[in-house]
Amino acid sequence: GAGVSQTPSNKVTEKGKYVELRCDPISGHTALYWYRQSLGQGPEFLIYFQGTGAADDSGLPNDRFFAVRPEGSVSTLKIQRTERGDSAVYLCASSLEDSMNTEAFFGQGTRLTVV
Amino acid sequence: LAKTTQPISMDSYEGQEVNITCSHNNIATNDYITWYQQFPSQGPRFIIQGYKTKVTNEVASLFIPADRKSSTLSLPRVSLSDTAVYYCLVGPPYSSASKIIFGSGTRLSIRP
Repeated sequence: GAGVSQTPSNKVTEKGKYVELRCDPISGHTALYWYRQSLGQGPEFLIYFQGTGAADDSGLPNDRFFAVRPEGSVSTLKIQRTERGDSAVYLCASSLEDSMNTEAFFGQGTRLTVV
Repeated sequence: LAKTTQPISMDSYEGQEVNITCSHNNIATNDYITWYQQFPSQGPRFIIQGYKTKVTNEVASLFIPADRKSSTLSLPRVSLSDTAVYYCLVGPPYSSASKIIFGSGTRLSIRP
């Protein structure tokens, strides 16, 4: 596609449930980032993939959060035993890392609401 | 990673030039300065990136003094559609396999 695609755009789940959020990066982009953003705050880094591997997962808040990118393209952010505090917009971005200066392209985000 | 400080909010009027300054006193030698724009219910959008002196594109200019401890994003002749949150980021270029860290941003409001 032309840009980064995130599905679903909105997700409402009950506390304690498991959710998966999907990110389709721009074709050919080797780097993929996940962020979450609470109202009025800047995006908070979660995890960064270079190809299939997680190059930096230091932003994952706890072991309920996990992300995969098995074929180096689509990525899934998985949240187990969701809590109300997990409610936020989850943003995905991708970038092409074959030049010194390159921009990251963000999707529209998935708005997760835990009730 | 260098921490950035920028004003929480700014107001201006249509047709004015708006300058948003960001402080990054601990910027490292290989760090670049990047600005993103975010509209409500959208992901951030890259505006401009620079290392030193001045960079200009069709959207904005970025002024970086010699010591690189601050930078100024300049938006010429703003319109209502420039109302958004603007983020200043400092860090290695993306090819260095690094994460991108956002601060709280500057909420810019443009009035008629």
